[in-house]
Amino acid sequence: AQTVTQSQPEMSVQEAETVTLSCTYDTSESNYYLFWYKQPPSRQMILVIRQEAYKQQNATENRFSVNFQKAAKSFSLKISDSQLGDTAMYFCAFMNTGTASKLTFGTGTRLQVTL
Amino acid sequence: NAGVTQTPKFQVLKTGQSMTLQCAQDMNHNSMYWYRQDPGMGLRLIYYSASEGTTDKGEVPNGYNVSRLNKREFSLRLESAAPSQTSVYFCASSEKRQGVLGTEAFFGQGTRLTVV
Repeated sequence: AQTVTQSQPEMSVQEAETVTLSCTYDTSESNYYLFWYKQPPSRQMILVIRQEAYKQQNATENRFSVNFQKAAKSFSLKISDSQLGDTAMYFCAFMNTGTASKLTFGTGTRLQVTL
Repeated sequence: NAGVTQTPKFQVLKTGQSMTLQCAQDMNHNSMYWYRQDPGMGLRLIYYSASEGTTDKGEVPNGYNVSRLNKREFSLRLESAAPSQTSVYFCASSEKRQGVLGTEAFFGQGTRLTVV
């Protein structure tokens, strides 16, 4: 069974600084999808970035980028130039590529961006 | 675009009562999910459905049943509610595309359920 681990329950960063959120996972599959979702206080789930394990190039979306280390089963999220609006819960998630599309989440990291 | 719609948004139940949470998506997705979110525990998968007519247990299925009524709708039923089922419930749907682009899960706005 796949598992996703986020070892940082809470983090804090000053506005305009850079922060990295950690995520590790466990799977026996060779190809799969990885995601970071953001959940602001509104409770809405918002996709931040996604990565296919088959591709070695790290995904980037504006100020958000990932460091994908397949052998280490690590998928960290880097937020550059942090903004107050980045304050939220961040969840790492894993999806297998088989017929049964099981989507598994980590326990989340609460990020606080301060002035 | 409606996306994923869940009802109700809030509900208070007494212990032992039953209720059904409704979820519908209009994106023609094959896969649908039910999660519960509790403080410090992230989103835990209750049940999922890879396609119409199939359902599978997730991490925490005890005390719940599901029905994949058709491709659009996936309902979650609590037969005899318990205080331990107090939580925020999310429905989601997804569809795999060629590669990862276009592959993502879309979520409903959540249901806050309190069992007293």
